[in-house]
Amino acid sequence: QKEVEQDPGPLSVPEGAIVSLNCTYSNSAFQYFMWYRQYSRKGPELLMYTYSSGNKEDGRFTAQVDKSSKYISLFIRDSQPSDSATYLCAMSGVHQTGANNLFFGTGTRLTVIP
Amino acid sequence: KAGVTQTPRYLIKTRGQQVTLSCSPISGHRSVSWYQQTPGQGLQFLFEYFSETQRNKGNFPGRFSGRQFSNSRSEMNVSTLELGDSALYLCASSPGGVEQFFGPGTRLTVL
Repeated sequence: QKEVEQDPGPLSVPEGAIVSLNCTYSNSAFQYFMWYRQYSRKGPELLMYTYSSGNKEDGRFTAQVDKSSKYISLFIRDSQPSDSATYLCAMSGVHQTGANNLFFGTGTRLTVIP
Repeated sequence: KAGVTQTPRYLIKTRGQQVTLSCSPISGHRSVSWYQQTPGQGLQFLFEYFSETQRNKGNFPGRFSGRQFSNSRSEMNVSTLELGDSALYLCASSPGGVEQFFGPGTRLTVL
């Protein structure tokens, strides 16, 4: 079993829809939870990150973390064609050495249809 | 501020050869991490360097190695290339903490 599971999609929605993207994980040591967006032929771009449980909002994007269920979500409101990309969840624990490596989901490909 | 740069962007090699990829982090960032991205496995952590020292390593064979220079630039090397090494290799730099900023990647094709 992979440490981070993510539905690969693909997911197609009409413009203006609310999009829900989700990941589950198995390692209870994860403390930081991130969402990246990756356009075709580009590197991943950090959208937002949260520490421990709770919600975080940034414009049309809302990230939720439920550590008790080991489940994280990203919601996109009023989706736009420019949101069409692959969305990757990523997680990290806290290392005593300060080492910093991320565990990624495989990504969900989203298409927003005009 | 300039972003993370990686060279070359595309590379074609044959089995058995070796390859060196280069990464220049964002100015002031001392941590550089390398990841391999494939359609089947997604993004997998290779190793992280901080102040010229390898601080963490993923589960890859010893054919994969890296180093970091005093100016924080980093290189990774893959020796004795195999077909399965075909992938997008991504470099990420970090100022500290968990935020990592990725470069555009080097697409390696092994024939």
